[in-house]
Amino acid sequence: SQTIHQWPATLVQPVGSPLSLECTVEGTSNPNLYWYRQAAGRGLQLLFYSVGIGQISSEVPQNLSASRPQDRQFILSSKKLLLSDSGFYLCAWSSLTGFLRYEQYFGPGTRLTVT
Amino acid sequence: AQKITQTQPGMFVQEKEAVTLDCTYDTSDPSYGLFWYKQPSSGEMIFLIYQGSYDQQNATEGRYSLNFQKARKSANLVISASQLGDSAMYFCAMSSNDYKLSFGAGTTVTVRA
Repeated sequence: SQTIHQWPATLVQPVGSPLSLECTVEGTSNPNLYWYRQAAGRGLQLLFYSVGIGQISSEVPQNLSASRPQDRQFILSSKKLLLSDSGFYLCAWSSLTGFLRYEQYFGPGTRLTVT
Repeated sequence: AQKITQTQPGMFVQEKEAVTLDCTYDTSDPSYGLFWYKQPSSGEMIFLIYQGSYDQQNATEGRYSLNFQKARKSANLVISASQLGDSAMYFCAMSSNDYKLSFGAGTTVTVRA
């Protein structure tokens, strides 16, 4: 069966510090990978998605970046955090399971507080 | 562009009763998929149910059923026999000709004993 891991679970970082969040998937190959951000009590905002190694699509211009160094590894980074980067970050994976059926499966999330 | 609308920010339901969560969508794509996810207080998003735009029958998964009305562009989730563990935020989402999902704003469900 497939599992998805995210770490760390919680993170408190000062403004201006760098960020690195990691996501790994087990039990599947060549998954589509996604990074979302969720503000408290709000919906999900897609930040990046990747359909293969080294292929990153950005949905929202911001001071974040993403990389996919290996097939099942997805990393979210920032060189200098802003207060507005605080939120709940979710990683997800998907594969085609039917006609247009790319249901996504999510990791446990990272709660980031920028102080 | 796709848009998902969930107009109910919060709902209360008595244990063992059914609850319907509304979802309407807007898309110009002829083919699309509709999804519902549950997000408990722990934060993890849990996939519940899927409905394809060409599916003739409404999807069901255990106590979850999706009331799909294509002409009205609605995809309401029905949870039957509510349990305390159903208390969570529920998101409707849609995909079309790409790998992405568009999510609604969510509906918070609180089940009362």
